[in-house]
Amino acid sequence: EDKVVQSPLSLVVHEGDTVTLNCSYEVTNFRSLLWYKQEKKAPTFLFMLTSSGIEKKSGRLSSILDKKELFSILNITATQTGDSAVYLCAFLSSGSARQLTFGSGTQLTVLP
Amino acid sequence: DADVTQTPRNRITKTGKRIMLECSQTKGHDRMYWYRQDPGLGLRLIYYSFDVKDINKGEISDGYSVSRQAQAKFSLSLESAIPNQTALYFCATSDPVSSYNEQFFGPGTRLTVL
Repeated sequence: EDKVVQSPLSLVVHEGDTVTLNCSYEVTNFRSLLWYKQEKKAPTFLFMLTSSGIEKKSGRLSSILDKKELFSILNITATQTGDSAVYLCAFLSSGSARQLTFGSGTQLTVLP
Repeated sequence: DADVTQTPRNRITKTGKRIMLECSQTKGHDRMYWYRQDPGLGLRLIYYSFDVKDINKGEISDGYSVSRQAQAKFSLSLESAIPNQTALYFCATSDPVSSYNEQFFGPGTRLTVL
């Protein structure tokens, strides 16, 4: 059974801290891994990772994938209170089905 | 205007009632999805549709049915609602030719079954 596990489940930091969120997966038909940010509404897309070792960056956020060890990390530097959210990772299966399977998320709280 | 809309946004109903949640999109995407979100469980796929004539079960389809009335509309029905169907429901769309394979989510429907 395909599985996506995120850690930690929750994290509380102060503004300016750097955080690393983890996502490990066990899947049979891996195509890509996606990261989403969810505040008090629908998830919004952050990154899609397909190849190992290539870092994706967007401002203070960055992410990298390790297809050999089957994990991805999402880094947030110089955190701000607006970064408080649930961060979801999901893997996209290959083939015609192309389903997204989500992890349970990491709840990040950034205190002023 | 939102690209993916869901109605209603909130609904409280009683056990045994039939409920329909509706999703509309203006993105022109062929693919549409229904998810439910429960605390600590992330998003789980209920049904997905790759075009008007294509409907597929997701990982938790029992107790649900769907209808793809048009490319832009995808409805989720609970024929006889039960309390453990209390959850936040999201509709999403995607474009199969997009290199990013990202899904665009609606604002969600919060359903409470008493």
